[in-house]
Amino acid sequence: EAGVTQFPSHSVIEKGQTVTLRCDPISGHDNLYWYRRVMGKEIKFLLHFVKESKQDESGMPNNRFLAERTGGTYSTLKVQPAELEDSGVYFCASSSYKNTQYFGPGTRLTVL
Amino acid sequence: AQSVTQLGSHVSVSEGALVLLRCNYSSSVPPYLFWYVQYPNQGLQLLLKYTSAATLVKGINGFEAEFKKSETSFHLTKPSAHMSDAAEYFCAVSDRSAGGFKTIFGAGTRLFVKA
Repeated sequence: EAGVTQFPSHSVIEKGQTVTLRCDPISGHDNLYWYRRVMGKEIKFLLHFVKESKQDESGMPNNRFLAERTGGTYSTLKVQPAELEDSGVYFCASSSYKNTQYFGPGTRLTVL
Repeated sequence: AQSVTQLGSHVSVSEGALVLLRCNYSSSVPPYLFWYVQYPNQGLQLLLKYTSAATLVKGINGFEAEFKKSETSFHLTKPSAHMSDAAEYFCAVSDRSAGGFKTIFGAGTRLFVKA
């Protein structure tokens, strides 16, 4: 069974540009989560999808971040426009109902 | 609200020595607790989890953790460290509010293993 995959693994962009991160959850997992780890800080929750619906987006830092999960399969996280403080590692995780979350390898985003 | 505190951002042990990584949690409901490990240039891997069954939880790679409600602790141990255990370890609690199971992480403890 394939695990959670994320694309790209690394992204380097300039301040003001747009970046879109993608997450493909484990097949059949209705729950999809996004997390972020800014350098030197804790891994922080961003939001949670149940199928295509946003269950909890309390961790989204501001309106420059837009997450979607059309069709309840893969998810994208768009940052527009990117700022320096958005640099970090973005993790995606998926789970079936109430079960353990399985994490992807992360996307390392660097904003210059 | 749930929270996790990991004592020690860095821990160094000799190969073959006991590994002890400390974690204390705060939770208003019976917690689900986890330990994750991140090896260099890899993602987060689940080591073990506690979900209100046995208080001593065994995980992969010889690690185990004991849930102690009276001490609100969930420390991770391994009897004998191996060089391959060098990684960053995260203690986490599952926040079951808001209808979901978002994970609250500790700040992480980087384990160094000396030859």
